[in-house]
Amino acid sequence: GENVEQHPSTLSVQEGDSAVIKCTYSDSASNYFPWYKQELGKRPQLIIDIRSNVGEKKDQRIAVTLNKTAKHFSLHITETQPEDSAVYFCAASLGWRDDKIIFGKGTRLHILP
Amino acid sequence: NAGVTQTPKFQVLKTGQSMTLQCAQDMNHEYMSWYRQDPGMGLRLIHYSVGAGITDQGEVPNGYNVSRSTTEDFPLRLLSAAPSQTSVYFCASQQSSGNTIYFGEGSWLTVV
Repeated sequence: GENVEQHPSTLSVQEGDSAVIKCTYSDSASNYFPWYKQELGKRPQLIIDIRSNVGEKKDQRIAVTLNKTAKHFSLHITETQPEDSAVYFCAASLGWRDDKIIFGKGTRLHILP
Repeated sequence: NAGVTQTPKFQVLKTGQSMTLQCAQDMNHEYMSWYRQDPGMGLRLIHYSVGAGITDQGEVPNGYNVSRSTTEDFPLRLLSAAPSQTSVYFCASQQSSGNTIYFGEGSWLTVV
C-alpha cells in the first residue's frame, strides 16, 4: 500500500522568511496530493492540493510542487506570518473512488518573531 | 449546513469498556473515514467507507468496528477499550478520495 514520508518533523523559521516541507510517496500510481493545516486544538483543513497532471500550483503565498519521477512533492510558504504557525500534513491517494488517503506524520511549523 | 458532526467531544473510558463514537454528515458525501491522531504519528486511517453498505480497513483497524447503513452516518465502535486507544479521533467525509476532506471537530478519548 501507499506510504508517505514527511520531513522535517519540526521547522522553525523567522517571520518573513520562506518555509519548505517535503513529502515522498511510494505508489507511483498515486495522482492526488493534498496539504492540510491544523491549528492547535482544531481540525485539519485543506490549504492546497495538486494532481499528477500538474507540476506546480500556487495560491497567494502558498505553492506546491510535484516531481512524479522522484515521487516527491513539496509545500512552499513564502513571506511567513505568525498565523502560519501550525502543523502541516501532506497526503497521497490514487484519487479513485475506492482508494485510501494516506497522510504523512506532520510538520510542526514555528514562526519566530 | 452543519458539515461533519461527531460526538462525544470528550470521553473517559475504563479498560475493557466499549463505546461508540458517532459521526454524521449532511453534505451527501459518499466517502467517509475515521482517523486517529497521536503525537508524532500524524493522522492514521482506521476504517473508511465509499458508500452505504461498504466499509474497508485502513492502516490501524484492530480493535475498532464500523458500519455504514446510511449515507449520512458512520459510527466507530471500540469493542474493548485499551490504554493504547487513548487518542484524538477525527471523522471525515468527502465526495471521493480525490477531493477535499472535511473533518469533524474531533473526539478526545482517554482510556484508563
